[in-house]
Amino acid sequence: KQEVTQIPAALSVPEGENLVLNCSFTDSAIYNLQWFRQDPGKGLTSLLLIQSSQREQTSGRLNASLDKSSGRSTLYIAASQPGDSATYLCAVKGTGGSYIPTFGRGTSLIVHP
Amino acid sequence: DADVTQTPRNRITKTGKRIMLECSQTKGHDRMYWYRQDPGLGLRLIYYSFDVKDINKGEISDGYSVSRQAQAKFSLSLESAIPNQTALYFCATRGPGLGGDEQFFGPGTRLTVL
Repeated sequence: KQEVTQIPAALSVPEGENLVLNCSFTDSAIYNLQWFRQDPGKGLTSLLLIQSSQREQTSGRLNASLDKSSGRSTLYIAASQPGDSATYLCAVKGTGGSYIPTFGRGTSLIVHP
Repeated sequence: DADVTQTPRNRITKTGKRIMLECSQTKGHDRMYWYRQDPGLGLRLIYYSFDVKDINKGEISDGYSVSRQAQAKFSLSLESAIPNQTALYFCATRGPGLGGDEQFFGPGTRLTVL
């Protein structure tokens, strides 16, 4: 059974820092991995999707990497801003016929001015 | 307009009442999901449906039922609400996106059972 872990559970940084959020998974037979952002009490917004054949994806100040062999993905946020404060979740979809992704519990990020 | 919508957005009800949460999508996706989110427990899957005739239980289906009225509509019912069903409920779809097969979430329904 796939298990997805996100460490740290919470992170507080000053504005302007470059930071890395981690997502680890136990089964490397993945189809793709998706990063989401969730503001308090709101829905999940998709940030980046990485296919199993890809090493990274970029969108603006965000860069997500994937290393299947080590069971890790990282979300890099450049020049963090207070507006980046949110919870970031990763979800892993395995190979095979199942379309049930496994979610991590998220990293709660606070960027203070 | 939002691709995945949920109604109501907030609901306060009493123990024992029957509640229906509705989800509609305009993405044309066959796959739809209902999750609940509780602080410290993350997202947990309640039910999922891969087409109108296919309904499956998730990890925490007890106390819930669903109806897939059409490809675009997937409703979640609490037959007799209890306080520990107080949570944030999300509907999601899964299908082709810009980058591939990905998941899309609705804005959520905050349910409080007194």
